[in-house]
Amino acid sequence: AQTVTQSQPEMSVQEAETVTLSCTYDTSENNYYLFWYKQPPSRQMILVIRQEAYKQQNATENRFSVNFQKAAKSFSLKISDSQLGDTAMYFCAFRGAGGTSYGKLTFGQGTILTVHP
Amino acid sequence: SAVISQKPSRDICQRGTSLTIQCQVDSQVTMMFWYRQQPGQSLTLIATANQGSEATYESGFVIDKFPISRPNLTFSTLTVSNMSPEDSSIYLCSVEDRRGGYTFGSGTRLTVV
Repeated sequence: AQTVTQSQPEMSVQEAETVTLSCTYDTSENNYYLFWYKQPPSRQMILVIRQEAYKQQNATENRFSVNFQKAAKSFSLKISDSQLGDTAMYFCAFRGAGGTSYGKLTFGQGTILTVHP
Repeated sequence: SAVISQKPSRDICQRGTSLTIQCQVDSQVTMMFWYRQQPGQSLTLIATANQGSEATYESGFVIDKFPISRPNLTFSTLTVSNMSPEDSSIYLCSVEDRRGGYTFGSGTRLTVV
């Protein structure tokens, strides 16, 4: 079974600064997908960024980028130029590419990020 | 991305009663997923709902407690049966979107008293 670990329960950053959230995972699969989701107090789950394991290039979405280290099974999220609206719970998630794990998301414990003015 | 309408957004229920949560998707999807998020916790998959077949439940979740219906490719319901205070959680439905990510409903905050 896959596991996803986020070792930082809480993080804080000053507005306009850069912050990195950590995520490690464990799987025996070779092909899979990794995600970062944001959950603000409204509790709506919002997809931040997505990475396919077969792609070596790190995904980027505007101010958000990842550092994907497949051999180390590490998938960190970097938020540049932090904004107050980035304040939320961030979840790292894993999805297998096939078999019984197809379509199912396994989530990490979450990291509460607070952006201070 | 798909748009999901989830109802109700919140409810306060008496123990021993049941609550049915609905999710309507604006496009046809093969699989719908139901998650539970206990207070301050992460999301845990309850079951996968496929149209035309019985839902597939994850370890620790049973059909008698969480019956699911999937009458067509755009709609699903999750019922939380014989509720106790331990069932107080946020319940979310989800579908895969065309970009390979997942879209979630806005969640149902359930409080059992």
